[in-house]
Amino acid sequence: SQQGEEDPQALSIQEGENATMNCSYKTSINNLQWYRQNSGRGLVHLILIRSNEREKHSGRLRVTLDTSKKSSSLLITASRAADTASYFCATDARNDYKLSFGAGTTVTVRA
Amino acid sequence: SQTIHQWPATLVQPVGSPLSLECTVEGTSNPNLYWYRQAAGRGLQLLFYSVGIGQISSEVPQNLSASRPQDRQFILSSKKLLLSDSGFYLCAWVRGWDRDISNTGELFFGEGSRLTVL
Repeated sequence: SQQGEEDPQALSIQEGENATMNCSYKTSINNLQWYRQNSGRGLVHLILIRSNEREKHSGRLRVTLDTSKKSSSLLITASRAADTASYFCATDARNDYKLSFGAGTTVTVRA
Repeated sequence: SQTIHQWPATLVQPVGSPLSLECTVEGTSNPNLYWYRQAAGRGLQLLFYSVGIGQISSEVPQNLSASRPQDRQFILSSKKLLLSDSGFYLCAWVRGWDRDISNTGELFFGEGSRLTVL
């Protein structure tokens, strides 16, 4: 079953704008990860945030985690056409080896 | 460097035919291995995972099976395909040192195998 749920399902923005997407999950986690998927390709890892962290940055990416609300957000700043892709959150529930993925947010960046 | 190979990339199979998708990882040892399926425009559904040779955990009851005959080889099979088996199949691995049961690390994905069952 899917642990994470992304919101919105789709997002269309102008190049240079920021893109924000959210992920909610149901059970306690060890870490939460964000992945990117270009159409028809495999997923690529973007960033991992542990349950004891609240915010993490990587280049133009900023991830927040609120374990009390069981939610995370991914912010892409100064978006580019090349950021057009689907973005997925994945959660690592405690005491198993599995990562559960949400349904994803499809981001379209217009030039 | 580590690489993951998945094949075939695309296949079209008739209902009732067998299936074999293969995934191999190079440049690492004792990885955790995973098979996910992605329906069109949807998220990823975990099908099987393996923490060692011959050790398979099944997540979803269905007519698919998985095997791990070697440390870095993971095979997805079916004896008789159904229409509902169509989808995009993704193999992934976690590095041996990043596979603590209490904290699964970064997954590395293959490029996927697109299966169409007619």
